[in-house]
Amino acid sequence: EAGVTQFPSHSVIEKGQTVTLRCDPISGHDNLYWYRRVMGKEIKFLLHFVKESKQDESGMPNNRFLAERTGGTYSTLKVQPAELEDSGVYFCASSQERPPRFFGPGTRLTVL
Amino acid sequence: DAKTTQPPSMDCAEGRAANLPCNHSTISGNEYVYWYRQIHSQGPQYIIHGLKNNETNEMASLIITEDRKSSTLILPHATLRDTAVYYCIVRVSSNTGKLIFGQGTTLQVKP
Repeated sequence: EAGVTQFPSHSVIEKGQTVTLRCDPISGHDNLYWYRRVMGKEIKFLLHFVKESKQDESGMPNNRFLAERTGGTYSTLKVQPAELEDSGVYFCASSQERPPRFFGPGTRLTVL
Repeated sequence: DAKTTQPPSMDCAEGRAANLPCNHSTISGNEYVYWYRQIHSQGPQYIIHGLKNNETNEMASLIITEDRKSSTLILPHATLRDTAVYYCIVRVSSNTGKLIFGQGTTLQVKP
């Protein structure tokens, strides 16, 4: 069975540009989560979807971040416009239960 | 969610048991103890969780003291691939998916 997959694995963009990260959860998992680790800091929660609904988005840093999960399958996390402090690794996770059990390999985002 | 305290780093010889402690003295009655690890730059990996009874799975054992104020994660036969940062997290299971990762314990398994 395929695990949680994330695309791209790496992204390098200029400050002010837009980037969209994609997460494909394990099939059948209603719960989908986004976390991130920025430059030497701890892993931080961003938000939690149950199917297509946002259950908890208390960790979203500001309105430059937009997460969607249309149809309750894959999810996208868009950063627009990207800032230098957004650099880090973005992890997606999915599970049938809470908290998350299966994390993806992450997308490493570098904003120059 | 209750705060946890873990040593910043530990060493373990390959093939020996690795015992990782966690202090959670302010834990509430309905809070579970969860353990995750992150190997190098990979995504975090769920290991095990428990409420008050000791738990064992194919990866590890979790020993929770009777007063629930501390716990120990045991990797029975550590291998080099177990070198990772181990996180002890206390939370109410029915909450959202929000996990609060602290600094964790960096376990170095040595040959």
